[in-house]
Amino acid sequence: DAGITQSPRHKVTETGTPVTLRCHQTENHRYMYWYRQDPGHGLRLIHYSYGVKDTDKGEVSDGYSVSRSKTEDFLLTLESATSSQTSVYFCAISRLAGVDEQYFGPGTRLTVT
Amino acid sequence: GDSVTQMEGPVTLSEEAFLTINCTYTATGYPSLFWYVQYPGEGLQLLLKATKADDKGSNKGFEATYRKETTSFHLEKGSVQVSDSAVYFCALTNTGNQFYFGTGTSLTVIP
Repeated sequence: DAGITQSPRHKVTETGTPVTLRCHQTENHRYMYWYRQDPGHGLRLIHYSYGVKDTDKGEVSDGYSVSRSKTEDFLLTLESATSSQTSVYFCAISRLAGVDEQYFGPGTRLTVT
Repeated sequence: GDSVTQMEGPVTLSEEAFLTINCTYTATGYPSLFWYVQYPGEGLQLLLKATKADDKGSNKGFEATYRKETTSFHLEKGSVQVSDSAVYFCALTNTGNQFYFGTGTSLTVIP
């Protein structure tokens, strides 16, 4: 199994509070991704990173920001959580974009009340 | 843009039945194609992949053939087991940095 961990695994927070989710990899893969998974929508890309300090927006980036200060860590921040951001969040990594598969973390279930 | 369309579920089969989950794609050039499986409460796991036309990916009795002429990558298994109950996702990646996933097909296998 690829070495990907996510923390926390579960979180309940209140509307308007900031939340940061962490993805940590031990594979030294260049590419890292954040997705959210919601019923009826499958997986939707939030942001991705193609190197340290290099990030780009995905399909559903509004309300989210990311940072990658070192290869192994990719942080997802909800600046002011809303109930529409209640979801399961998955981190994924890939060695080589455009060809290689992605490996997924175990997910973080976030509930915004 | 690139996209993946897979058959809607849920699919319910009896044990030892034949499984087909349809997947078609839209992409320029020569994408790589994947099937992922997700068991309850877990992340997605790679099931199989194919990186060029006419390639057949296979794993754990599942197979899928990359058909460029029909832009398809249908997932098949000859005899499903209860343990195959999961959600299956078709996906592609192409030039560029992104993956594109289908919406998932839920499979339930009953004894």
